Amino acid sequence: AQKVTQAQTEISVVEKEDVTLDCVYETRDTTYYLFWYKQPPSGELVFLIRRNSFDEQNEISGRYSWNFQKSTSSFNFTITASQVVDSAVYFCALSEAVRNRDDKIIFGKGTRFHILP
Amino acid sequence: EAQVTQNPRYLITVTGKKLTVTCSQNMNHEYMSWYRQDPGLGLRQIYYSMNVEVTDKGDVPEGYKVSRKEKRNFPLILESPSPNQTSLYFCASSLFTSGSNEQFFGPGTRLTVL
Repeated sequence: AQKVTQAQTEISVVEKEDVTLDCVYETRDTTYYLFWYKQPPSGELVFLIRRNSFDEQNEISGRYSWNFQKSTSSFNFTITASQVVDSAVYFCALSEAVRNRDDKIIFGKGTRFHILP
Repeated sequence: EAQVTQNPRYLITVTGKKLTVTCSQNMNHEYMSWYRQDPGLGLRQIYYSMNVEVTDKGDVPEGYKVSRKEKRNFPLILESPSPNQTSLYFCASSLFTSGSNEQFFGPGTRLTVL
């Protein structure tokens, strides 16, 4: 069965610190997709990144980077030099390659990330 | 502007009074879905639709109905709302049913059932 675990419920750091948000997944399929979404205090959900199961290259986008490791079934998200604008709830999600009527998209429970004043 | 819209954004109602939350997308997306977000539980899928006239249950479908008569619309119906359906609801859509597509979310509907 599919499962996504975000073990960190809440993380607080001071500005400019680096932080890694963990995401561990379970799936029976060999072809699947992983996602990260951001939910800022305003409430909307914003897509950040997609990674397919055959591409284990790490990705960097500005201060954000993602580390995908199939060996540990993890897709971790690092924010470098965190800023107030990074304060949000971050969700990791898993989807299998072809959605048939038995497939669902599974979200983790989210990690709330705060910048301390 | 490409978007997913939901209405209403906020709703306070009483137990048993039928309500509908509308969802519409203007991107010609095949796949649409409803989620509820509750503290400590994250996002849980209620129902999804892979195309017109095709709907399926997600993880928490009890107490909800949906329909997909047109590609752009996917309303969520609560026939007899109860207080445990107080939640933040999101509609989402994606281009195709392939799992590779990211979802576009509506702004959310905060529902309170008294």
